[in-house]
Amino acid sequence: QKEVEQNSGPLSVPEGAIASLNCTYSDRGSQSFFWYRQYSGKSPELIMFIYSNGDKEDGRFTAQLNKASQYVSLLIRDSQPSDSATYLCAVNRGTYKYIFGTGTRLKVLA
Amino acid sequence: EAQVTQNPRYLITVTGKKLTVTCSQNMNHEYMSWYRQDPGLGLRQIYYSMNVEVTDKGDVPEGYKVSRKEKRNFPLILESPSPNQTSLYFCASSVGTSSNQPQHFGDGTRLSIL
Repeated sequence: QKEVEQNSGPLSVPEGAIASLNCTYSDRGSQSFFWYRQYSGKSPELIMFIYSNGDKEDGRFTAQLNKASQYVSLLIRDSQPSDSATYLCAVNRGTYKYIFGTGTRLKVLA
Repeated sequence: EAQVTQNPRYLITVTGKKLTVTCSQNMNHEYMSWYRQDPGLGLRQIYYSMNVEVTDKGDVPEGYKVSRKEKRNFPLILESPSPNQTSLYFCASSVGTSSNQPQHFGDGTRLSIL
């Protein structure tokens, strides 16, 4: 079992819809969770981070964390073609080590 | 402009020829890290540094060395590169006052070892 798992996709959604990206992790001691967006050939850029159970909203993005079920999700409202990218979930266990999932490719169809 | 700068951006070299990829950040960040990204395997951490002269292994440190003599620089050294080290490499940094800080990534270095 991978420590951080994501569905590789592609996840295809029509423009204007809500895209839901999921990530599960295996270490219950994980403390902080990050979502990065990576366009093809580019470096990852931070979208959101979350530490506490519940929802955290930032513009069109909402991160949801459920530590009991060991999953973290990212919702993108009003999806735009420019949101088409690979979304990486990263987990930190309270040490300085970070574990990344392999990413979910999102395609927003115009 | 706040940034993490890696050099070179692209390099093709041969097995066994020592190489260094430089990484520099201008944000006075304490934490720096190196990753490699391979298809189907995602980003894997090679080494990280919590501060000057403090480094530790990530998940895939074999075949790599690092040093942190100055706060802003964190070079990645491949003493005897092999073809299985062909990959896309990213350097990242964060404030580092706790382990919960998001990281800022450099633009990446694409290494091909023949």
